[in-house]
Amino acid sequence: DQQVKQNSPSLSVQEGRISILNCDYTNSMFDYFLWYKKYPAEGPTFLISISSIKDKNEDGRFTVFLNKSAKHLSLHIVPSQPGDSAVYFCAAFGGSNYKLTFGKGTLLTVNP
Amino acid sequence: DARVTQTPRDKVTEMGQEVTMRCQPILGHNTVFWYRQTMMQGLELLAYFRNRAPLDDSGMPKDRFSAEMPDATLATLKIQPSEPRDSAVYFCASGTGTGQETQYFGPGTRLLVL
Repeated sequence: DQQVKQNSPSLSVQEGRISILNCDYTNSMFDYFLWYKKYPAEGPTFLISISSIKDKNEDGRFTVFLNKSAKHLSLHIVPSQPGDSAVYFCAAFGGSNYKLTFGKGTLLTVNP
Repeated sequence: DARVTQTPRDKVTEMGQEVTMRCQPILGHNTVFWYRQTMMQGLELLAYFRNRAPLDDSGMPKDRFSAEMPDATLATLKIQPSEPRDSAVYFCASGTGTGQETQYFGPGTRLLVL
């Protein structure tokens, strides 16, 4: 039973365009969400987060949107750069303050 | 530049052998997490320590896996005996223990059990 789902295993976009990565969750106890980025042969690194009391959080080129009623969040990257090519994981806290539940990731490829 | 370190980075072993993976959390962090990444399951939490005490190891196969923190600078994950289905990338992460904190991941140990 996957509680955090990233339904697109991969996404390809052109440099300079917008990248939109999507994530759906099923557990209504989730109240804090994070995005991690992972390069090959490295561990995931924290990118951006959002609390369930907000619907948007911005950090430079990265914006996370949260739609609680739809149990859906998305990560927007504008403009996309080749260095953004990586696997992006959506993760959620809920019910406990330490247990992160991860999605399976989306491989983003930004073409020059 | 504080970071989580893990050794070894790669390990190839034969079925039945003992495997020990080591992790040095970021200095000052008091929570440590062990994760396993596989293609089928994604990133799964295996064990969680706070102030060196194991608080959750429900994700770990108890019969063959064990996790310890001999001191604040070292966490270990052992598999004995190892099986081919244990082949995966094992990540260690550490955090400040403030609740819903950002977890900082190490580079991982890629394990292949033949």
